[in-house]
Amino acid sequence: AAGVIQSPRHLIKEKRETATLKCYPIPRHDTVYWYQQGPGQDPQFLISFYEKMQSDKGSIPDRFSAQQFSDYHSELNMSSLELGDSALYFCASSPPGPPSGANVLTFGAGSRLTVL
Amino acid sequence: AQSVTQPDIHITVSEGASLELRCNYSYGATPYLFWYVQSPGQGLQLLLKYFSGDTLVQGIKGFEAEFKRSQSSFNLRKPSVHWSDAAEYFCAVGQPGEKLTFGTGTRLTIIP
Repeated sequence: AAGVIQSPRHLIKEKRETATLKCYPIPRHDTVYWYQQGPGQDPQFLISFYEKMQSDKGSIPDRFSAQQFSDYHSELNMSSLELGDSALYFCASSPPGPPSGANVLTFGAGSRLTVL
Repeated sequence: AQSVTQPDIHITVSEGASLELRCNYSYGATPYLFWYVQSPGQGLQLLLKYFSGDTLVQGIKGFEAEFKRSQSSFNLRKPSVHWSDAAEYFCAVGQPGEKLTFGTGTRLTIIP
């Protein structure tokens, strides 16, 4: 079965550079979520999109922006990178429809960003 | 605001022994509860979920969890652990199709 695809899997950047992470949800999933997991930390919700519109916002820094495109893939753009941005970034997707047991988030394998 | 507490940061058990990982939640509405497992450097894999009905839910890899509303708990159990169960375990709460709030995780170490 198709899963959530994230790219790149690993990314190394220097301070003050920019980075873009991509997320391809499971086919026919219309909602995408971004999470950030620092070393030894729990995943922290950043932002989510439903039908290409921002649906919820968490602790996403102003230096970060994200969007969902017409094909439902999403991109997380990070600018002016700081050392503290080094983390594992997860994308998750969920299917359409009313809340039910099927609307479970499926997570990708994550993109590991290292800022030097 | 919803929150999840996993009181145990690190647990060590012997292979073949039983396991219980604790999870307590705070949620204003009917909680939807999840357990995810994360191997080092890997993504989050769903072990099991509770939405309604039977309070004892079965998951993958031989895990089960019991929802106890009176104790606001959703503890994860396994009768006999295997070395491959060594990982980080996250309890989470949320509504289906909406963001999840995770606990801080419990790291499980298995000793021979």
